[in-house]
Amino acid sequence: DAGVTQSPTHLIKTRGQQVTLRCSPKSGHDTVSWYQQALGQGPQFIFQYYEEEERQRGNFPDRFSGHQFPNYSSELNVNALLLGDSALYLCASSLVDNTEAFFGQGTRLTVV
Amino acid sequence: AQSVTQLDSQVPVFEEAPVELRCNYSSSVSVYLFWYVQYPNQGLQLLLKYLSGSTLVESINGFEAEFNKSQTSFHLRKPSVHISDTAEYFCAVSVDSSASKIIFGSGTRLSIRP
Repeated sequence: DAGVTQSPTHLIKTRGQQVTLRCSPKSGHDTVSWYQQALGQGPQFIFQYYEEEERQRGNFPDRFSGHQFPNYSSELNVNALLLGDSALYLCASSLVDNTEAFFGQGTRLTVV
Repeated sequence: AQSVTQLDSQVPVFEEAPVELRCNYSSSVSVYLFWYVQYPNQGLQLLLKYLSGSTLVESINGFEAEFNKSQTSFHLRKPSVHISDTAEYFCAVSVDSSASKIIFGSGTRLSIRP
């Protein structure tokens, strides 16, 4: 079992550009959540997807959007990148209505 | 709204010494409580969790945490630490059983000195 896999591992983008991050959940998991972890801080919840729909959302602007595919994989899109978007983006998968979330190793996004 | 406070950003201890990482939470409703560990250059791993029942929960590698409702605390302890315990530890809460919208504290960096 490969666990939760994220791609790419590192990414450098220019302010104003758009970025897409990808996540494949742990085998058998149907729910995907995304978190932003700024340097020296704890992860902050962005949103969660289940059955290809956004189920819950944290306090992030509309520049942050996502998608879940029929195979449960997910994408996080960020438009009009700001320097403050530089962070480690973590994907977590779980079974719906199960308390345990499994995290990937994250994508390190640097906006210059 | 829920919040989590980890009182110590860094905790240095000597190998084989005991350690306590402190965590307090705030919530107007019942919560589920978690401790996650993040080893260098890795993602988060669930260390232990409190859902209901016994207020003392244990992990497979010797850590334990006790839920104290009156003090709204969920401190993490280990009687004897090893070099391999060096990591960042995050306390977290969730208000439902679906692993959604987990609220994390800011983390405590545990550094073990030989």
